[in-house]
Amino acid sequence: EVQLLESGGGLVQPGESLRLSCAASGFFFTTYDMTWVRQAPGKGLEWVSTISAGGSSTYYADSVKGRFTVSRDNSKNTVYLQMNSLRAEDTAVYYCAKVSSRSYYDYWGQGTLVTVSS
Amino acid sequence: EIVLTQSPATLSLSPGERATLSCRASQSVSSYLAWFQQKPGQAPRLLIYDASNRATGIPARFSGSGSGTDFTLTISSLEPEDFAVYYCQHRSNWPITFGPGTTVDIK
Repeated sequence: EVQLLESGGGLVQPGESLRLSCAASGFFFTTYDMTWVRQAPGKGLEWVSTISAGGSSTYYADSVKGRFTVSRDNSKNTVYLQMNSLRAEDTAVYYCAKVSSRSYYDYWGQGTLVTVSS
Repeated sequence: EIVLTQSPATLSLSPGERATLSCRASQSVSSYLAWFQQKPGQAPRLLIYDASNRATGIPARFSGSGSGTDFTLTISSLEPEDFAVYYCQHRSNWPITFGPGTTVDIK
């Protein structure tokens, strides 16, 4: 059974940093791209970042480019999202998702809430 | 950036009725379109990929069609558990974008 478990969310002040983790199990982690998607309270889904299976390629939404960094540790079956210079508009539930062989998001974690507020 | 527009914003129907949801792209995405279902407090669930292929475990009452810029998600006969928000999403190029969603609620 595929399982994705996000952690690391919390309340931070504007300008601060946070690192999210997503621990994966139930599939061959090293062979799949992984992605982060966020959802602001009461709003729709927004793609944030994707990392390739080997970690050599990364992609970012313009809204987070230069502030967020995605990485992965294939020895730990874990993907990370380092978030720096956080802003109020980054407040959201952050989901990690597995990217299928057809490049669709076929399994999702339950999300972790990040709140940026003074 | 490809903008996805979904209509209607809200669809009020009764169990057993047919639901037809639309997603329109600002430029062609070929068939690189997915549909997700999201219920309150839950993560999204992949329903349809490549415009018309049901994901694993998705009931046959869900079907997708379309290509290029116009896509449709059809739920042939609504079950009580189908009342939710539905999002379309393209993977044609970067950045990946989602539509704003269609809420299917109980009439």
